[in-house]
Amino acid sequence: EVQLVESGGGLVQPGGSLRLSCEASEYTFGTPWMGWVRQAPGKGLEWVANTNQEGSNRYYVDSVKGRFTISRDNAKSPLFLQMNSLTADDTAVYYCVTGGAEATTWGQGTLVTVSS
Amino acid sequence: DVVMTQSPLSLPVTLGQPASISCRSSQSLVYVDGDTYLNWFQQRPGQSPRRLIYKVSNRDSGVPDRFSGSGSGTDFTLKISRVEAEDVGVYYCMQGTHWPHTFGQGTKVEIK
Repeated sequence: EVQLVESGGGLVQPGGSLRLSCEASEYTFGTPWMGWVRQAPGKGLEWVANTNQEGSNRYYVDSVKGRFTISRDNAKSPLFLQMNSLTADDTAVYYCVTGGAEATTWGQGTLVTVSS
Repeated sequence: DVVMTQSPLSLPVTLGQPASISCRSSQSLVYVDGDTYLNWFQQRPGQSPRRLIYKVSNRDSGVPDRFSGSGSGTDFTLKISRVEAEDVGVYYCMQGTHWPHTFGQGTKVEIK
């Protein structure tokens, strides 16, 4: 079973930037969509961004458009999330998720805290 | 965005008794390929979400058969035939048919 490991979270000041990474324990042929889902403390789940196998198609939830960039070079490369102009509302655990619409596998998450 | 509405939001259950969670979507979840991308997740305290059911009624490997999913179009249900102590947690439905993919508010299952 594929395992996902996120990294890159931490404490950042409002207006700052962070880059999250997600590594898979194995890259199977045809791992199509990968994305990021976040969960603010004590709150529900929000799908933030998605990208296809080649990283050529990318989708974002409105609240992060223009600030976050999801990237991936190919089906066997790590997944990244570049987060700029961070605000307190971005404070959350960020999960890496494979499987797109079926959200098959989740990582353990990395905590991003935006605070001065 | 497609709004996913779960009920109830809190579900106290007696061990060994059944439990049922409803999930309704604001639009049909039937995709152009004919599939319905409605998934169910369990999130135990302190853990990341774990998928239980995909495409309405398909149980994931390793998921006990006391969990079942049903429904169509905009109306879906997760049932636990006999609740066990390990089932405590928050359950979410999620639609993957439309972008952005969206989740229900979550239903907290606890033991009475």
